[in-house]
Amino acid sequence: AQRVTQPEKLLSVFKGAPVELKCNYSYSGSPELFWYVQYSRQRLQLLLRHISRESIKGFTADLNKGETSFHLKKPFAQEEDSAMYYCALRDENNDMRFGAGTRLTVKP
Amino acid sequence: DGGITQSPKYLFRKEGQNVTLSCEQNLNHDAMYWYRQDPGQGLRLIYYSQIVNDFQKGDIAEGYSVSREKKESFPLTVTSAQKNPTAFYLCASSRRFYSNQPQHFGDGTRLSIL
Repeated sequence: AQRVTQPEKLLSVFKGAPVELKCNYSYSGSPELFWYVQYSRQRLQLLLRHISRESIKGFTADLNKGETSFHLKKPFAQEEDSAMYYCALRDENNDMRFGAGTRLTVKP
Repeated sequence: DGGITQSPKYLFRKEGQNVTLSCEQNLNHDAMYWYRQDPGQGLRLIYYSQIVNDFQKGDIAEGYSVSREKKESFPLTVTSAQKNPTAFYLCASSRRFYSNQPQHFGDGTRLSIL
């Protein structure tokens, strides 16, 4: 069965420092990968999808099929990036699996 | 192990029929959520409940109903008024409503029309 692993429950960086939130997955088919974000007291929202190859709020994520990873990166973290981040996988049946989430704290 | 259980994994609905998706959690979480996921789109919030005996409409509540009579249960009914019910439905819970505590997700239910 497909699985999504976010190895870090908590991640803390200083403002202006680079940040990388790790996501690994296990799935034998062709997955679609997502990053969702939940800011404090706000709803869960889609941050980016790997098929879009876009950069949202300075974040990027590259799907590495060899390493089965989809790490989220930002070169210069901002305080407003503090939030819960969830990595998610959608399989070929359109079923979704979420990781347990990583809480990012960006300190001033 | 604590977690969220959604059932059934696959569900089929006939035209004009109401169906109910089950979501149970044993995490002692106050808040529970129902999301819908369609191809090419992100999750969309259907209903949420901050605490037992309370629930609120999300972004796409039309054609759906919920109840929260018990803390651990938050069933979603897809009514005949929902004209496009085919989707993947995901239930989640968190200790407090939209707090800094993480959401825990179920494995989902796929609903299809016969």
